[in-house]
Amino acid sequence: QVQLQESGPGLVKPSQTLSLTCTVSGDSIGSGGYYWSWIRQHPGKGLEWIGYIYYSGSTSYNPSLKSRVTISVDTSKNQLSLRLSSVTAADTAVYYCARGLLRWDYWGQGTLVTVSS
Amino acid sequence: DIQMTQSPSSLSASVGDRVTITCQASQDINNYLNWYQQKPGKAPKVLIYDASNLERGVPSRFSGSGSGTDFTFTISSLQPEDIATYYCQQYDNLPSVTFGQGTRLEIK
Repeated sequence: QVQLQESGPGLVKPSQTLSLTCTVSGDSIGSGGYYWSWIRQHPGKGLEWIGYIYYSGSTSYNPSLKSRVTISVDTSKNQLSLRLSSVTAADTAVYYCARGLLRWDYWGQGTLVTVSS
Repeated sequence: DIQMTQSPSSLSASVGDRVTITCQASQDINNYLNWYQQKPGKAPKVLIYDASNLERGVPSRFSGSGSGTDFTFTISSLQPEDIATYYCQQYDNLPSVTFGQGTRLEIK
């Protein structure tokens, strides 16, 4: 059973960097079988793809966030990470990690990150 | 960016009804479209991929069709557990992946 679990601060101050980690169990990121993604959902709103990473470190980002986003992977810990810099209130959202590139078949439960001073 | 226009934005139907949701792309996306179900407080779940393929384990009352710019998602006989918000998602224009705005489905 593949499981993903997001973790990180639930509150980030404006202009700071949001950092989240996703720990994967039941599958190995390093096996190279899948891409791994971050997706967010603003409160009461729709879904927004942030970006994805392959075990090799190859990444692709949503052009609207590209200048502020970094996704990385640690295959030894079976984790992927998200960093979003210079956050504003508009970055307040539930952040999900998910397995996949073109469609996402396993998701974490999501973690709410609020940007506020 | 490819825009995905989903309709209706909300829908109320009775148990046993046939329910249809449409998604229109702003340009041809071939069949590069998925459908997701999201229940309150939960992560989305993929139901249909590549426009018409049923994800493993998903009940057969769910189906999808379409190609190009116009797509349809159908629940053949609505069940109480189908109450959720449904999203379409295109992946024709990588790396730009976009979602429809969602359809909230309620029981009448």
